[in-house]
Amino acid sequence: SQKIEQNSEALNIQEGKTATLTCNYTNYSPAYLQWYRQDPGRGPVFLLLIRENEKEKRKERLKVTFDTTLKQSLFHITASQPADSATYLCALDPGGGNKLTFGTGTQLKVEL
Amino acid sequence: DAEITQSPRHKITETGRQVTLACHQTWNHNNMFWYRQDLGHGLRLIHYSYGVQDTNKGEVSDGYSVSRSNTEDLPLTLESAASSQTSVYFCASSAGTGNNQPQHFGDGTRLSIL
Repeated sequence: SQKIEQNSEALNIQEGKTATLTCNYTNYSPAYLQWYRQDPGRGPVFLLLIRENEKEKRKERLKVTFDTTLKQSLFHITASQPADSATYLCALDPGGGNKLTFGTGTQLKVEL
Repeated sequence: DAEITQSPRHKITETGRQVTLACHQTWNHNNMFWYRQDLGHGLRLIHYSYGVQDTNKGEVSDGYSVSRSNTEDLPLTLESAASSQTSVYFCASSAGTGNNQPQHFGDGTRLSIL
């Protein structure tokens, strides 16, 4: 069956360190992958999109990699800040048509 | 600024009642989506629409319906609410110009069915 897996355990890191979140998928061949941020009581907010022919994408302190052989995407936040604390979701569009399938998300806590 | 708004933000109702959740977007997007979010399941697609008069079933559509009479609105109706439909519901929209468009989400409706 198709599955998207993100680490369900919260990730706690110290301010200034790099946070790395993982998204693994099985039985998909996605053309692209998206990452979203979700704060408590709010809807997800789009962060980055990476296509299958792109190995890496950057936006300010954010970096996403996409390894279609390993079926894995890594999401990095460099120089992390307490304001980066949130839940981060990865999403795929398995069948086209912009219908997204989401992972369950990983909660990140950045401590002073 | 363009936005997507959901109402109400919170609702409590009883089993068997009909419930309608509103979603209104000012992005002028063709695509609109309804998801539910439950602990351990992440966001799951209920229904979606690619334009006026177009509606389609998603992964978990049983017990739900939608209608699209204009570009801005996609109301979600629970015909006869069940306790299993207690959840947080999110509406989203995206431009209809390709498969890799980001989705813009509302802030959700927390629905409790007693």
